[in-house]
This record gives sequence, C-alpha cells and structure tokens, in this order.
Amino acid sequence: ILNVEQSPQSLHVQEGDSTNFTCSFPSSNFYALHWYRWETAKSPEALFVMTLNGDEKKKGRISATLNTKEGYSYLYIKGSQPEDSATYLCASDNYGQNFVFGPGTRLSVLP
Amino acid sequence: NAGVTQTPKFQVLKTGQSMTLQCAQDMNHEYMSWYRQDPGMGLRLIHYSVGAGITDQGEVPNGYNVSRSTTEDFPLRLLSAAPSQTSVYFCASSQGQGGLETQYFGPGTRLLVL
Repeated sequence: ILNVEQSPQSLHVQEGDSTNFTCSFPSSNFYALHWYRWETAKSPEALFVMTLNGDEKKKGRISATLNTKEGYSYLYIKGSQPEDSATYLCASDNYGQNFVFGPGTRLSVLP
Repeated sequence: NAGVTQTPKFQVLKTGQSMTLQCAQDMNHEYMSWYRQDPGMGLRLIHYSVGAGITDQGEVPNGYNVSRSTTEDFPLRLLSAAPSQTSVYFCASSQGQGGLETQYFGPGTRLLVL
C-alpha cells in the first residue's frame, strides 16, 4: 500500500494571507496526482489532476505544482478567503496500485 | 443528473446487525468504489468495481461485501457490524480506473455501530 502524506495536518490563516501545503507521494511508478477540495458536510470535489514533472495547474486563486522525481506537490492559495476553508486532499495513482489518498490538510481562514 | 447518490445519510446499528449501504450513479461510469473516512486518516479504499459483474478488494475489505449487477448500482453490505466499522462511508464513481480520471463522490453515509 502506498504511503501518501500531507503537511501540515491543519492550518489557520487570516483572510487575505497566502498559504501553501504539501503532498508527498512515492515517486516510483508514479502516474498521476490528484487534488480534491472537501468542504464540511459536503463531498470531495476535484481541483486538479497532474501527471508530468514540472506541471503547474491554476484555478482562480488556487494553484498546484508537481515534482515527480522527488515525489511532492504543493498547493498554493493566494489571498485566502473564508470560503477557502476546507480540507484539501491529495491522491496518488501509481502503476499497479489503487488510488491512495493522503490524510488531508484542514485549512481555516479567519475573517 | 443526480450524480452519485447514497442512502441512508445516517444509520445507527447494534453490534452484529447487518445492513446495506446503497450507492447509485447516473453518469454511466464504469468504475465505482467505496471508501471509509476515519479521523486523522485519508479515505481508505474498501472495494471497487471496474464494471458490471466485476468487483475487487481494496485496502480494507474485511467485514464488507459488494456486488455490481448493474452499471448504476454498487451496494456495500456489512454482514455483522462491529464498533470498528463506525465511520463515514463514501461512494465514488469515475469513467475509468485511476490515472487521469476524476472521481465523483456521493454525499456520504455516517454509520455508528454501538
């Protein structure tokens, strides 16, 4: 079973701050890395899927980068807003393995 | 489209009771899966199916059974509930298995086993 880690476990920032967090995954047999956003009392929703080393994806104020050689991805949020408060999940897909999710980073944006 | 639906939303069971968690999707997705989510842990894969009539075990299959008689439905059965099965259960579907496929999640079923 793959080991996918995320840090920090939780994060509190002030409205307007920019922030970032990390997803670490096994680099061997890597195929794709997914980011999901999970609001309280809702279902996880897809943000990005990335496959190539150096990939960068952006959606509004949220962006993500991928380093497949060292096995990590960063998620950035610029100018955090209270509506960004959620748990951010990453999931790694490696050849021969099922999708494995990390434990998530819980972000709270304080007004 | 309703997407992925799950019933019930919440259930309380006594140890030893059995029940079925229902999952249905209307997107004609081939791949369906069940996850459980426990505090401090990521979503862990219980069982999955790559198409009607085909199921396989995930990371934590013990105590659960599944079947896939149609493309739309993927029920999860607890044969004899145990307190360790207290969790939030999510069903998900995607066009294919892993890779570039985005998974679409249902709203979850919160299960409490006493």
